[in-house]
Amino acid sequence: GQQVMQIPQYQHVQEGEDFTTYCNSSTTLSNIQWYKQRPGGHPVFLIQLVKSGEVKKQKRLTFQFGEAKKNSSLHITATQTTDVGTYFCAGIRQGGKLIFGQGTELSVKP
Amino acid sequence: NAGVTQTPKFRVLKTGQSMTLLCAQDMNHEYMYWYRQDPGMGLRLIHYSVGEGTTAKGEVPDGYNVSRLKKQNFLLGLESAAPSQTSVYFCASSPLSLGAEQYFGPGTRLTVT
Repeated sequence: GQQVMQIPQYQHVQEGEDFTTYCNSSTTLSNIQWYKQRPGGHPVFLIQLVKSGEVKKQKRLTFQFGEAKKNSSLHITATQTTDVGTYFCAGIRQGGKLIFGQGTELSVKP
Repeated sequence: NAGVTQTPKFRVLKTGQSMTLLCAQDMNHEYMYWYRQDPGMGLRLIHYSVGEGTTAKGEVPDGYNVSRLKKQNFLLGLESAAPSQTSVYFCASSPLSLGAEQYFGPGTRLTVT
């Protein structure tokens, strides 16, 4: 069954508002990755987090990996219409394969 | 570089028919994967390969077979298609390990009637 849970499933925001998606695992992860899939497109790698408590930023995107390495979040500041798409987290346990969350679909109203 | 390519892009099958999806990558990656994507389910791993001549089962392998005769190609076969296999299929590859960044192909949309 699904080992990586992601919430919310959908998020509708007004352009300029912030957005956060959360990823939770019942087991400790060795790393976590984030992908973005534009409507009709394919997943594209955004970032990988490896260390406990790690925080990384890419322009308006902030990624966090929890202290216990069981959860992660992606925060977008001041959303733009170009941020539209589905954001997936993917976790891996030691020596295992990537397990993808169900994704959060973000829509941005201009 | 073309990256990861998939053929065909779209296909409609009747129940019981067979077909093969082809994935090719020109990045010399060791690891290759086949996923299916269904609404609300995210990406689920069907089969994967850690190198030429090797394959292994993922989360949802039933009804599918794979082969990796050449390093650059990973084939996904459906021997007897069922409506439950209607989905979007993505191939991916990664260079270093099972947990490394993955590069995805454009996908194949398959409908089984």
